Amino acid sequence: QVQLMQSGAEVKKPGASVKVSCKASGYTFTSNGISWVRQAPGQGLEWMGWISAYNGNTNYAQKFQGRVTMTTDTSTNTAYMELRSLRSDDTAVYYCARAMNYGDYFDHWGQGTLVTVTS
Amino acid sequence: QSALTQPASVSGSPGQSITISCTGTSSDVGSYNLVSWYQQHPGKAPKLMIYEVSKRPSGVSNRFSGSKSGNTASLTISGLQAEDEADYYCCSYAGSSAGAVVFGGGTKLTVL
Repeated sequence: QVQLMQSGAEVKKPGASVKVSCKASGYTFTSNGISWVRQAPGQGLEWMGWISAYNGNTNYAQKFQGRVTMTTDTSTNTAYMELRSLRSDDTAVYYCARAMNYGDYFDHWGQGTLVTVTS
Repeated sequence: QSALTQPASVSGSPGQSITISCTGTSSDVGSYNLVSWYQQHPGKAPKLMIYEVSKRPSGVSNRFSGSKSGNTASLTISGLQAEDEADYYCCSYAGSSAGAVVFGGGTKLTVL
């Protein structure tokens, strides 16, 4: 069965960076892409971007351009999302989700990773 | 890219049907049949309920159905059950420009 297992919770100071991992299993990793979606406490879902696990092509939401980097490691079937210059309003649960192509629906989700930004 | 517009809350009694609307623009919902719907229970990850406007993933009850008319998509849940109480989010592709996947603000469904 398809599973996306994310790394554990993080606490960061403003200005720092965070890198969240998402290890995929149960399917051919390079046949799909991975999107990252975040959810601030008590708020809705926000799409951050997508990466192709096939060739590493990325599409980032304009809001995060220049501050986010998404990568994959096909040797370990793992996707990564790094967010830099963290601010308090980056405090959120970050989800990875499988999406075959940019703009496609998200058919499997990771369990989420809470990132708390606090001084 | 602006978020899609959903009602903040809807409610219904067990056995009834409810519909959640999702209003976008001619640049997103109105232009693409790439609307999806997600159910989220408190503290859990979202779950795909409807994709490509009206398709149901394997394992999702046929009580859930989706449709679209113009710039507005809809999710209908028939035969409401207690376990349907959750937040529901719509999502649409909005073209190849940056920031071109948008979510609705979410709708809290209460089963009375």
